[in-house]
Amino acid sequence: QVQLQESGPGLVKPSETLSLTCSVSGDSTSGYYWSWIRQPPGKGLDWIGYIFHTGKSHSNPALNSRVTISLDTSKNQFSLNLRSVTGADTAVYYCARYYCGADDTCHYFDYWGQGILVTVSS
Amino acid sequence: QSALTQPASVSGSPGQSITISCTAASSDVVSHNLISWYQQDPGKAPKVIIYDVYKRPSGISSRFSGSKSGNTASLTISGLQAEDETDYYCCSNAGGGIWVFGGGTKLTV
Repeated sequence: QVQLQESGPGLVKPSETLSLTCSVSGDSTSGYYWSWIRQPPGKGLDWIGYIFHTGKSHSNPALNSRVTISLDTSKNQFSLNLRSVTGADTAVYYCARYYCGADDTCHYFDYWGQGILVTVSS
Repeated sequence: QSALTQPASVSGSPGQSITISCTAASSDVVSHNLISWYQQDPGKAPKVIIYDVYKRPSGISSRFSGSKSGNTASLTISGLQAEDETDYYCCSNAGGGIWVFGGGTKLTV
């Protein structure tokens, strides 16, 4: 059974960098697409970006290039860095795996972490 | 404003059917038919219930069905049960590496 677990600080100061790690167990990170998704308190889901084991990545244009997603296949984990945070970045952050076909078309998120609340406050 | 618009809330009585709409601001967002629906209980991670517009993952009740017409995707839940009362989100692989979620709909049974 694939399991994902987010880890990182629960409190980040404004203007600093939010850094989270998603540890994957039950399968290898190689060969899959991995994603970060967040949910501000009481609000909807917001796609942050993804990374593939080749290093190919893409992020939400609305985040104005503040996002870096990286993958460490040797540790079977991937990470999120979100720079210059403000209160608007306060959210539960989820890591998730894509279900993709052999043609590299991704269809949905099949496994999710439990989520980690990150608060941006001084 | 989300590129996918859902009603904030819908309601229905036990045994009835309800439909949640998900309307794209642009046809590009849903043109690939890679639309999925997620059910999210409070404090929990979302769970996929429909993908590729109408397909159900293994283990998902046949009471859940999906469809699409033009720029609008729809989730229908038939034979409403109390346990269906929660939040639902549509999502689209919009192409070009971009994924989009709808704003979410709270279902009251």
